[in-house]
Amino acid sequence: QKEVEQNSGPLSVPEGAIASLNCTYSDRGSQSFFWYRQYSGKSPELIMSIYSNGDKEDGRFTAQLNKASQYVSLLIRDSQPSDSATYLCAVTGNQFYFGTGTSLTVIP
Amino acid sequence: KAGVTQTPRYLIKTRGQQVTLSCSPISGHRSVSWYQQTPGQGLQFLFEYFSETQRNKGNFPGRFSGRQFSNSRSEMNVSTLELGDSALYLCASSLSGQTSGNTIYFGEGSWLTVV
Repeated sequence: QKEVEQNSGPLSVPEGAIASLNCTYSDRGSQSFFWYRQYSGKSPELIMSIYSNGDKEDGRFTAQLNKASQYVSLLIRDSQPSDSATYLCAVTGNQFYFGTGTSLTVIP
Repeated sequence: KAGVTQTPRYLIKTRGQQVTLSCSPISGHRSVSWYQQTPGQGLQFLFEYFSETQRNKGNFPGRFSGRQFSNSRSEMNVSTLELGDSALYLCASSLSGQTSGNTIYFGEGSWLTVV
């Protein structure tokens, strides 16, 4: 069983819609959770971190954490074509564990 | 504040050769981690260094090695290159290391092609 699981996609949404990205993790002791965005040919860049159960909002992005269900999600509101990228979920244990990423395409 | 700097950005090597990649972390960061990224495998953890000591290691053969200097700069070396080593090698820095929960910040990566 992988430490972090993500649907690989691809996920396609129309411009202006809400994109929902999901991630599950196996280690109940995990304390820190991150979402990174990676454009094709580029390195991952941090979007958000979340440490407590509940929602955390930053602009058009909302991260949701449910430790009881071992579930992390990222919502992107008013999706833009520039949001088209691969989104990586990361969870910390004794190291950073990354999911394989979900490819998102926002269709103009 | 300067970000994570990796050199070289692109390189082509022949099977059997060896390669050294360099990484300068964000100023003040003491932890440097290395990752290999390939289309089929995603981000694979190689190792983490903190204050010149290897703190953690992933499941890679001994051909992959690294070190960290007193100024926190790090190098990774791959000996006896194989075609399967062709990948994007990413360096990431953090303030206190991966176990602390600190955010890690990535450099632009070094694209290695083995022919």
